[in-house]
Amino acid sequence: DAGVIQSPRHEVTEMGQEVTLRCKPISGHDYLFWYRQTMMRGLELLIYFNNNVPIDDSGMPEDRFSAKMPNASFSTLKIQPSEPRDSAVYFCASSLASVLTFGSGTRLTVV
Amino acid sequence: SQKIEQNSEALNIQEGKTATLTCNYTNYSPAYLQWYRQDPGRGPVFLLLIRENEKEKRKERLKVTFDTTLKQSLFHITASQPADSATYLCALDVRGFKTIFGAGTRLFVKA
Repeated sequence: DAGVIQSPRHEVTEMGQEVTLRCKPISGHDYLFWYRQTMMRGLELLIYFNNNVPIDDSGMPEDRFSAKMPNASFSTLKIQPSEPRDSAVYFCASSLASVLTFGSGTRLTVV
Repeated sequence: SQKIEQNSEALNIQEGKTATLTCNYTNYSPAYLQWYRQDPGRGPVFLLLIRENEKEKRKERLKVTFDTTLKQSLFHITASQPADSATYLCALDVRGFKTIFGAGTRLFVKA
């Protein structure tokens, strides 16, 4: 298996633009997580899904953030409009029960 | 409030010595606790999981203890090597499979 695949690896965008981050989980995993990592706040859980259904989105910072999982092999995290404070590394992870497997992350820079 | 605390300062040790990292938590009753390793520019990688009814778990040079009374886990790397230099993250399940992370401790092993 190729592991959890995230795209793009790097994204630089201007403030106010829409940003879409993509994730392909490991086949057979039924949980999918989106995390954001910064030096100041560490690794924060944004939202997680079970069997494509959002279970807890209490970590999503504001209405500008949205996440979808239309099927078992694909998820997106969208930020609209983006702001400089959204600059961070965004990780997707999937699991079958407890142990998470992370993707390589998307480094987002909003200028 | 609910919190996971890890040593925020970096840990510097000499090759061959034992590194001990601490994870403390408040207001949680996790069914299990995990440790992950993160290298620069990469996603966290799972190392060990210990359940609430287990006091200690070992894997090669790694040892984890879990004290649910003290709400603390200790992570030990024996006979440390420069290749062990990385950031180590503690993670808890807080409800179902909702997994949250501490900020991590950076370990530097000097040759």
